[in-house]
Amino acid sequence: SQTIHQWPATLVQPVGSPLSLECTVEGTSNPNLYWYRQAAGRGLQLLFYSVGIGQISSEVPQNLSASRPQDRQFILSSKKLLLSDSGFYLCAWSNRRTSLWGNTEAFFGQGTRLTVV
Amino acid sequence: SQQGEEDPQALSIQEGENATMNCSYKTSINNLQWYRQNSGRGLVHLILIRSNEREKHSGRLRVTLDTSKKSSSLLITASRAADTASYFCATVGDTGTASKLTFGTGTRLQVTL
Repeated sequence: SQTIHQWPATLVQPVGSPLSLECTVEGTSNPNLYWYRQAAGRGLQLLFYSVGIGQISSEVPQNLSASRPQDRQFILSSKKLLLSDSGFYLCAWSNRRTSLWGNTEAFFGQGTRLTVV
Repeated sequence: SQQGEEDPQALSIQEGENATMNCSYKTSINNLQWYRQNSGRGLVHLILIRSNEREKHSGRLRVTLDTSKKSSSLLITASRAADTASYFCATVGDTGTASKLTFGTGTRLQVTL
């Protein structure tokens, strides 16, 4: 069965420090991968999505970047964190094959709560 | 940017009552999905309805889709305390963005005993 791992669960970082959040998927190949951010009590904002290794689409201009060095690995990074980067970050995957027909059910990790102080 | 807007933002009902949540979206879609999120956790997929479908059922869930009004509703019948969570709609576009899943703002449902 497919599983998605996202870590760490919580993170407290000082302003100006770097960030690296990692997400890996097991049990499937060639998935679509997503990074979302959720502000407290709010909806999910799509930050990045990827349909293949090295293929990253950015949805909003921001202080963050994403990379996909391997098929099932998606990394969210920042060189210098801002206070406004605080939030709940969620990684998700969907099956590329079924997404061609629009059956894009997404499977989420448990999230990383980032607090920038 | 948010594609969907859920209404109401918050809903409080008693156990056994039905809960109805609505979602409106802006652009043409291939399908619309509903997800549930328990506090501080990841989202769990509930149900998917395609643009050529008007109604779909799954257990105590009933979803309708009106593409002419660009809206959908999620009905949870005979609600239980365990249904307490936030519920989000999400859309997949139909114009070459089949991989892009965009979420709405969510409805917080509180079911009391």
